[in-house]
Amino acid sequence: AAGVIQSPRHLIKEKRETATLKCYPIPRHDTVYWYQQGPGQDPQFLISFYEKMQSDKGSIPDRFSAQQFSDYHSELNMSSLELGDSALYFCASSNPAGATREQYFGPGTRLTVT
Amino acid sequence: GDSVTQMEGPVTLSEEAFLTINCTYTATGYPSLFWYVQYPGEGLQLLLKATKADDKGSNKGFEATYRKETTSFHLEKGSVQVSDSAVYFCALSETSYDKVIFGPGTSLSVIP
Repeated sequence: AAGVIQSPRHLIKEKRETATLKCYPIPRHDTVYWYQQGPGQDPQFLISFYEKMQSDKGSIPDRFSAQQFSDYHSELNMSSLELGDSALYFCASSNPAGATREQYFGPGTRLTVT
Repeated sequence: GDSVTQMEGPVTLSEEAFLTINCTYTATGYPSLFWYVQYPGEGLQLLLKATKADDKGSNKGFEATYRKETTSFHLEKGSVQVSDSAVYFCALSETSYDKVIFGPGTSLSVIP
């Protein structure tokens, strides 16, 4: 079965640089969620999109922005990177009209800021 | 706001021991409850879920029952294996559109 695809899987950036993470949801899933998991931490919700509109916002820094495109893939743009942005970034997708409220998580993008 | 609390780790067990990881939640509505597992260096995998009170989720020998009266969703396994060593996250989601709220995670190490 198709799963959530994230790219790149690993990314190394320097402080003050920018990074773009991409997420391709499961086909027919119209909702995308982004989470950040710092070292030894639980995943924290950043932002979500439903039908290309922002649906909820969590603890996302102002330096970060995201959008969902017409093909439902999403991109998380991160600017002025800081050392503390080093984390595993998960994307998840769901089909809220489905029988279960389950979010399917991608494998994550590991961002290292040096 | 909604939150999830789970027992502090790390937990170290011998192979074939019984496992319980306690999880309690606070929610305004009737959330769906989940257990996710994260193996070292890997992503999140859904282990099991329950969507309403008294539902029992089960997978790979793990079980958890949605207890509304005690707002709990404790994870159990009768006989753990070394391959079960991972971090386990209890989580909830209020609605179809809502984010997943995770507990702090419990690290489990199973020794031969």
